[in-house]
Amino acid sequence: GAGVSQSPSNKVTEKGKDVELRCDPISGHTALYWYRQSLGQGLEFLIYFQGNSAPDKSGLPSDRFSAERTGGSVSTLTIQRTQQEDSAVYLCASSRSGTSGSYEQYFGPGTRLTVT
Amino acid sequence: KQEVTQIPAALSVPEGENLVLNCSFTDSAIYNLQWFRQDPGKGLTSLLLIQSSQREQTSGRLNASLDKSSGRSTLYIAASQPGDSATYLCAVSDNAGNMLTFGGGTRLMVKP
Repeated sequence: GAGVSQSPSNKVTEKGKDVELRCDPISGHTALYWYRQSLGQGLEFLIYFQGNSAPDKSGLPSDRFSAERTGGSVSTLTIQRTQQEDSAVYLCASSRSGTSGSYEQYFGPGTRLTVT
Repeated sequence: KQEVTQIPAALSVPEGENLVLNCSFTDSAIYNLQWFRQDPGKGLTSLLLIQSSQREQTSGRLNASLDKSSGRSTLYIAASQPGDSATYLCAVSDNAGNMLTFGGGTRLMVKP
């Protein structure tokens, strides 16, 4: 079946603009995760959804970052007033469940964000 | 706070060699450990998932072991091939929500 998909694959934006990144998880996966991969910081967790609710937002770096998930499926990560330090690859993953920590995570190809 | 370390950061071997990649983590109270492969400019491909109650998992030429008490995992690659060249990442889940903490990765180059 189809894997995790993300769009756009690349996004170049000017400093101060808002951007939206989209993630389509594997069908039937109730848990969805956003991570960020940057040269200086490696791969870091941003936010986790179980269904439509976000039990853990602890990784969001500032209040300019927000995310939502609708219908237990598609998720959107929004970055407001982008800064150059937001430049990174944003990766989305999904798994069958986010409870009990037992399930394999499957990653999408990522969105490369460049803030100029 | 969980910290994951991978050694070496980079490794170059001739084709055909068997090799071992190392991963260590500071908090042994984990739910699972997952090994991933990342090709340049691509997302992560899951290789193996080891539950905390397991000691090892095997898939083809790959074997991953887990020693939870000592906070270590190894990924063994048998008979390496140039197509194995990639960055290998290990990640642990130490929470019920299954959020992963990643190591910095080992960049592997297998030369023909």
